[in-house]
Amino acid sequence: DIQMTQSPSSLSASVGDRVTITCQTSQDIRSSLNWYQQKPGKAPSLLIYDASNLETGVPSRFSGSGSGTHFTFTISSLQPEDFATYYCQQYDNLPPSFGQGTKLEIK
Amino acid sequence: QVQLVESGGGVVQPGGSLRLSCAASGFTFSNYGMHWVRQAPGKGLEWVSFLRYDGNNKYYADSVKGRFTISRDNSKNTLYFQMNSLRPEDTAVYYCAKDGMGYQFLGTWLDSWGQGTLVTVSS
Repeated sequence: DIQMTQSPSSLSASVGDRVTITCQTSQDIRSSLNWYQQKPGKAPSLLIYDASNLETGVPSRFSGSGSGTHFTFTISSLQPEDFATYYCQQYDNLPPSFGQGTKLEIK
Repeated sequence: QVQLVESGGGVVQPGGSLRLSCAASGFTFSNYGMHWVRQAPGKGLEWVSFLRYDGNNKYYADSVKGRFTISRDNSKNTLYFQMNSLRPEDTAVYYCAKDGMGYQFLGTWLDSWGQGTLVTVSS
């Protein structure tokens, strides 16, 4: 199974900050990496698919990059509604797997 | 718009069974693979199972293999999850989710999610 290492596990930031989350995989997964946002008590929602493709309707301040084993998720200018938990997920190999999550909190 | 509505959760004793349902609407259900993902209280997301668009090729996490069965009825636009031999560690919110690409043999991204149904395994 592919191991996912997402960091940091938590992060405090202010509105307007630029924030970056990383996801490393134990094997080369090409670009088969997705990013999700989850707010408390809600289902996750897809933000980025295939490492760098913005899901329809998702604001352009969200972006993703990387390939192989190292991936990056960036929010260019934090908005109040962005405080949530973020997960990466690989689908190159079965079983699909999620990172441990990054909880983004208001500083 | 895509809508996924789970039902069937509840409280069950260890060793018991439950069947979850996920009613789908707003897209051509028979063209897309479907997933079940769970989240234990206060924990992260765990992928549990995937079923190909035509009902063939089922995949499971090792943690549920041999106990849980995924199925679908494309005539009813409904996904199912039969959970047997339930354990306390199966306690979680269970989400059904639509795969992002049609006609795929394996899962890709999960582009629509239901609201989740809570399964509690406790004596």
